[in-house]
Amino acid sequence: QVQLQESGPGLVKPSETLSLTCTVSGGSISSYYWSWIRQPPGKGLEWIGYIYYSGSTNYNPSLKSRVTISVDTSKNQFSLKLSSVTAADTAVYYCARVLWFGEKGYGMDVWGQGTTVTVSS
Amino acid sequence: DIQMTQSPSSLSASVGDRVTITCRASQSISSYLNWYQQKPGKAPKLLIYAASSLQSGVPSRFSGSGSGTDFTLTISSLQPEDFATYYCQQSYSTPPTFGQGTRLEIK
Repeated sequence: QVQLQESGPGLVKPSETLSLTCTVSGGSISSYYWSWIRQPPGKGLEWIGYIYYSGSTNYNPSLKSRVTISVDTSKNQFSLKLSSVTAADTAVYYCARVLWFGEKGYGMDVWGQGTTVTVSS
Repeated sequence: DIQMTQSPSSLSASVGDRVTITCRASQSISSYLNWYQQKPGKAPKLLIYAASSLQSGVPSRFSGSGSGTDFTLTISSLQPEDFATYYCQQSYSTPPTFGQGTRLEIK
């Protein structure tokens, strides 16, 4: 079955850019939407954005000015870049597959294990 | 953004109990509502989609209902593995938003 694995630095300095990659295994990245979600320590879930395998994106307006999500179908990967990070960006970052339920919206049905990113000097 | 409010925020119950968690949206979201279960240190798991449809592989003791602004997740007979945090999530409008979570603890 499809599995997702996040990778990237666990420590990022303030004002720098957070970069993470999600590798999709056990299936193709094609024909699906793929999402990033984060969870600050001890808090709830925040949707960052999603990308279609063709490259079209949709971002959370609260993060849109700092977020870029891209896809590399040849590597079966998609990536997250978040610029100008602060301590408030410290969180567990999850990648996930988006599943559309016809006319009843969408959800995330396959998730990576998550990777902790700490913003600190 | 649509605000999702869950109640209660925490709940103590015993194995075998019937448990209901409520999620209220700040505006009507039709049936664009999903439920997730998250255990400590793990990623969320999709349980219910479109308010009342059971995700494949999820035990039938889980059920969801509601439409518009008010939704419920019911666990008919709690099992030891059900003690976790539960989140609702709307996909009616961007950004999709989650409730603050309901922590289900063993009594």
